[in-house]
Amino acid sequence: GDSVTQMEGPVTLSEEAFLTINCTYTATGYPSLFWYVQYPGEGLQLLLKATKADDKGSNKGFEATYRKETTSFHLEKGSVQVSDSAVYFCALTGYGGSQGNLIFGKGTKLSVKP
Amino acid sequence: EAGVVQSPRYKIIEKKQPVAFWCNPISGHNTLYWYLQNLGQGPELLIRYENEEAVDDSQLPKDRFSAERLKGVDSTLKIQPAELGDSAVYLCASSPDAGNTIYFGEGSWLTVV
Repeated sequence: GDSVTQMEGPVTLSEEAFLTINCTYTATGYPSLFWYVQYPGEGLQLLLKATKADDKGSNKGFEATYRKETTSFHLEKGSVQVSDSAVYFCALTGYGGSQGNLIFGKGTKLSVKP
Repeated sequence: EAGVVQSPRYKIIEKKQPVAFWCNPISGHNTLYWYLQNLGQGPELLIRYENEEAVDDSQLPKDRFSAERLKGVDSTLKIQPAELGDSAVYLCASSPDAGNTIYFGEGSWLTVV
């Protein structure tokens, strides 16, 4: 079945460092891809999305490009801030009978130190 | 615009007791989801509703879990009896229709002792 694999954390960076969180997927058809963020004590928030190959999603300085040839959707940010400390989840929407259902990776915890 | 509202936020119960969680989706959203999030894991779908109809409940443990969405708006998820392994966060989410962006509530944190 469809699945998402993301790099295991935790990831610890200094402020203003470059961030990459790897995400690859296995899916039938052409899923939409998402990054959600979960700040401590809060619910999941949509960070960005891409709905077709070569689309780039972006928000709050974060970017991710839908790469069909490598089945990847890596999250990047050029300069992280302490306020970016959170857990990041890569996800896809299922196809066929699971259409509309989000399938998540296990999450990657990011800690940014001042 | 109000987001997805869940209650209670936190609940501690003894094993074998029942517990219920309530969800009010974003106004006008036809699709409602319940997800289970274990500690250190990504959320996993329990059930999806399209209006009043449960269209995907394949992952819902029906021996102890039940859900309803009367009138196609609010929804309740119930566990009876609760087990220690049910300690987790129960997330409700909604979207205008399946395939659109899904919005999550803050979750109901359950601890079974």
